[in-house]
Amino acid sequence: EAQVTQNPRYLITVTGKKLTVTCSQNMNHEYMSWYRQDPGLGLRQIYYSMNVEVTDKGDVPEGYKVSRKEKRNFPLILESPSPNQTSLYFCASSSAGTANSPLHFGNGTRLTVT
Amino acid sequence: QKEVEQNSGPLSVPEGAIASLNCTYSDRGSQSFFWYRQYSGKSPELIMFIYSNGDKEDGRFTAQLNKASQYVSLLIRDSQPSDSATYLCAVRGDQFYFGTGTSLTVIP
Repeated sequence: EAQVTQNPRYLITVTGKKLTVTCSQNMNHEYMSWYRQDPGLGLRQIYYSMNVEVTDKGDVPEGYKVSRKEKRNFPLILESPSPNQTSLYFCASSSAGTANSPLHFGNGTRLTVT
Repeated sequence: QKEVEQNSGPLSVPEGAIASLNCTYSDRGSQSFFWYRQYSGKSPELIMFIYSNGDKEDGRFTAQLNKASQYVSLLIRDSQPSDSATYLCAVRGDQFYFGTGTSLTVIP
């Protein structure tokens, strides 16, 4: 089954404790991205990647890191999480070669930082 | 800043009525346009995409695109309570840009 897999689904952590949210897709997509979603603010892009070893900042990159060492994986790293990073996070992927290829979303990770 | 604008709503329609959702975008270079439905706490799911001017129909859903006016809309016919959700408009140019979504409530 074609899918984007995020883990974990739920995560509760404390301020300053480094964490990684994993994202993997099995559709051979070049384009991958991370979003956070907060009430009333819609989806805000954190980082995106057009292909392996190519990453770019989105609208809200502060406090986050990403890497794209393999085509299928795009982990999101919070080196020192803070309470304002409590949010619902989505990973998504798409084919970069087709203009009408949609974004496919993972099931989301609900992060709480205390 | 490339922008996608949607009325946040809430939009309420009675069951069986037509719901009309609207979206405008700022980048004339945008190539394709998507409508996603999102239930609370769930991930967005694709309803339709459109990339040519005019109408595209899929079951109860019709997407309409007018590139000259930089406007895309979604019509939902025979609205059902299960259609109650937030609808996200997404525009693809060099990357994807999302509106903040319109909350739709279908009243039984």
